[in-house]
Amino acid sequence: DTGVSQDPRHKITKRGQNVTFRCDPISEHNRLYWYRQTLGQGPEFLTYFQNEAQLEKSRLLSDRFSAERPKGSFSTLEIQRTEQGDSAMYLCASSFGTQSGELFFGEGSRLTVL
Amino acid sequence: AQKITQTQPGMFVQEKEAVTLDCTYDTSDQSYGLFWYKQPSSGEMIFLIYQGSYDEQNATEGRYSLNFQKARESANLVISASQLGDSAMYFCAMREGMAAGNKLTFGGGTRVLVKP
Repeated sequence: DTGVSQDPRHKITKRGQNVTFRCDPISEHNRLYWYRQTLGQGPEFLTYFQNEAQLEKSRLLSDRFSAERPKGSFSTLEIQRTEQGDSAMYLCASSFGTQSGELFFGEGSRLTVL
Repeated sequence: AQKITQTQPGMFVQEKEAVTLDCTYDTSDQSYGLFWYKQPSSGEMIFLIYQGSYDEQNATEGRYSLNFQKARESANLVISASQLGDSAMYFCAMREGMAAGNKLTFGGGTRVLVKP
């Protein structure tokens, strides 16, 4: 399978714990995006990488959130000291910078904070 | 201010009929791109169709067509000959600026249920 893959698909944690999500983009894609989606809403942009450089971060990305893409391939999104409001689907997407620039999404990582 | 507005939270459509999903947008850029995505219950976002702001022809992809009305800032999706597998959430999205790396901003979505 050569699509975007995310791990884990589901994570249940207690408030205050740290969690980390991993995203493996389509191999030739140089751009990688993280989005958050809550139930019944559209995805909200969190951050964006071009190769290993993090070029934009949303104000939604509080100090408890950090994302990395150390070698310009896979990316991790870490949430420290989780809160119940962090419960959401975390979507990763990648693109190759074609004219249309459509994003190819993974199946998401669902986080439930108890 | 909302940049992408989808006013229809949910719609029923009879199998084999056409359905139009509304999307309006707000931008001060002259160059932008408009997208539609489908999200079935499995959760994955599936790209359907793209329209660039300078494209003179409305985009079409199989049973999907985009009714682009620039002056009205409208980019409605038309699904023809609906199938049961079309039941899903549909999201309209916009990329401001023509740099392909720019992020997409999504609307709140429309849930479509196709009835047999």
